Amino acid sequence: DAGITQSPRHKVTETGTPVTLRCHQTENHRYMYWYRQDPGHGLRLIHYSYGVKDTDKGEVSDGYSVSRSKTEDFLLTLESATSSQTSVYFCAIRAQETQYFGPGTRLLVL
Amino acid sequence: EDKVVQSPLSLVVHEGDTVTLNCSYEVTNFRSLLWYKQEKKAPTFLFMLTSSGIEKKSGRLSSILDKKELFSILNITATQTGDSAIYLCAVAERTGNQFYFGTGTSLTVIP
Repeated sequence: DAGITQSPRHKVTETGTPVTLRCHQTENHRYMYWYRQDPGHGLRLIHYSYGVKDTDKGEVSDGYSVSRSKTEDFLLTLESATSSQTSVYFCAIRAQETQYFGPGTRLLVL
Repeated sequence: EDKVVQSPLSLVVHEGDTVTLNCSYEVTNFRSLLWYKQEKKAPTFLFMLTSSGIEKKSGRLSSILDKKELFSILNITATQTGDSAIYLCAVAERTGNQFYFGTGTSLTVIP
């Protein structure tokens, strides 16, 4: 347990609405990541952060934005949710050259 | 384009069998290869491999890396129903900033 929590754990929303997912860590890790996991695609990187206010895009960043205003929180925002963004979202931190994952958020966009 | 490919996609075995899961990669600036186990929740870390030919072991699980042929295997001996899970392989690139994941192997162990 790397002290990572995600909220909400489950969310149902409608197409076109904004959605923000939160990742919180308690151990001051510098690197934080957002992934989505879909059948047949494995884990795909959306965005990552290497410090407060320092972020970069991953493989599937279109339609997503992130913010990190303090070390412990990394927010993922879907500006206008679409059905293709229905997925399980995992947050991760990097520690000792590996990654540890939060419990995940199941998002359903109707 | 960097990629990680796992095989087989799925596997069904009986308790007591030995299984071998494969992971091949094409990642420039390789740093390390990692294995994770995922049950119906978040992936949990199993092994990190950085050098060829050095086996990592944890109980009935072991793994080895071949950096020349660009692949790794994960062996599970005397399988148990609790080994049923998706096994994920990931490669970290040299800066350590990004990790590339395969799609996973789904293992089902039947009593």
